[in-house]
Amino acid sequence: DGGITQSPKYLFRKEGQNVTLSCEQNLNHDAMYWYRQDPGQGLRLIYYSQIVNDFQKGDIAEGYSVSREKKESFPLTVTSAQKNPTAFYLCASTPDRRAEAFFGQGTRLTVV
Amino acid sequence: KNEVEQSPQNLTAQEGEFITINCSYSVGISALHWLQQHPGGGIVSLFMLSSGKKKHGRLIATINIQEKHSSLHITASHPRDSAVYICAVWVPGGGADGLTFGKGTHLIIQP
Repeated sequence: DGGITQSPKYLFRKEGQNVTLSCEQNLNHDAMYWYRQDPGQGLRLIYYSQIVNDFQKGDIAEGYSVSREKKESFPLTVTSAQKNPTAFYLCASTPDRRAEAFFGQGTRLTVV
Repeated sequence: KNEVEQSPQNLTAQEGEFITINCSYSVGISALHWLQQHPGGGIVSLFMLSSGKKKHGRLIATINIQEKHSSLHITASHPRDSAVYICAVWVPGGGADGLTFGKGTHLIIQP
């Protein structure tokens, strides 16, 4: 079955450490997105990529980095520069920007 | 700046009731999405619509482009419908990816 896989589901990190969240899709979608969700707030865009080897900053990119070396994969690194990294992170993909979006199951990151 | 407002923020109802969740937005859009988020956090796309009405099982979504308003209806609600329902609109040229999300409506259906 086609879909988006995020791993791990729960992640704990010590302050000052970088951590990478995985997002893999087998839907053959060109566009992939990373969103952050905080309690009581709507999803906010961190980074997006419309094609392999290209990505763009979203509304809250500071303290995050991404890569898009393969069409299927769009990992997100939360760096030590992110001041408040504890949140729920969602990955999504679409065939193009105006199409229906498919979401992963999310990764809940807690900084301890 | 496009704003997406959902109402109500929280809704508790009894099994079998007819449910309506509303979404209003402030600028012209190309499409609107209704998403469902279960307690585990994963999100499922329910509908994407740009005009009229769509129906899938007990779920019905309508949109009025002129009034900048959409509704999601659930008929014969069931406890398994308990989830957060999120409205998102796609605005051409609006933001990095064009999608603006509402804060969600937390629905609880009691047996």
